[in-house]
Amino acid sequence: QSLLTQPPSVSGTPGQRVAISCSGSNSNIGRASVSWYQHLPGAAPKLLIYRSDQRPSGVPDRFSGSTSGTSASLAISGLRSEDESDYYCASWDDRLSAWVFGGGTNLTVL
Amino acid sequence: QMQLQESGPGLVKPSGTLSLTCTVSGDSINGYYWSWIRQPPGKGLEWIGHFYYGGSPDYNPSLKRRVTISGDPSKNQLSLQMTSVTTADAALYYCARGLYGGSHLDGFHIWGQGTMVTVSS
Repeated sequence: QSLLTQPPSVSGTPGQRVAISCSGSNSNIGRASVSWYQHLPGAAPKLLIYRSDQRPSGVPDRFSGSTSGTSASLAISGLRSEDESDYYCASWDDRLSAWVFGGGTNLTVL
Repeated sequence: QMQLQESGPGLVKPSGTLSLTCTVSGDSINGYYWSWIRQPPGKGLEWIGHFYYGGSPDYNPSLKRRVTISGDPSKNQLSLQMTSVTTADAALYYCARGLYGGSHLDGFHIWGQGTMVTVSS
């Protein structure tokens, strides 16, 4: 069982804003940064957000990250069909001295 | 543009040793945190461990007894060795890179395409 908890699935319609939650603890999200990844089947995972709210160059500003206490959230605005994918959060866990991933959330664009 | 390419035997026998290589082109491996991450079929991502040249590797506690990660700057390669493999180790294995000069907290910025490993006799 993952130390970071994500909803198995979320859905939205084109143009809508959706948010994916990631719940952790004081040893990971509450103390360290969070990163978010988009993973399309057959492709390498792609970094969307690092250090909780930083976007790498080339990632559209439709994607944004935030944290509050021991939870993090990835928001996607102006939803597009190509956003349909699996999304994973990850955080460094100070107690384990290891990265931990959430179980992943499948986003469906209706 | 840095590129990462994982390679290794696609089939390993149970109780055997899994050995994978990540060949880096376009830049040196120095100055980056390098991680191995895997995804078993139908499951999520799992961090195996990371390496920073000149530092000590960190490993997933659940795999620590069986895993060694190392790097060879002369070949610009990273390697992963996992001993005593079982069918639970069958997965798509990725190598991934952090930020230049960054910390281990910066996440995984560049990923290889991954290499599939099957465990079977």
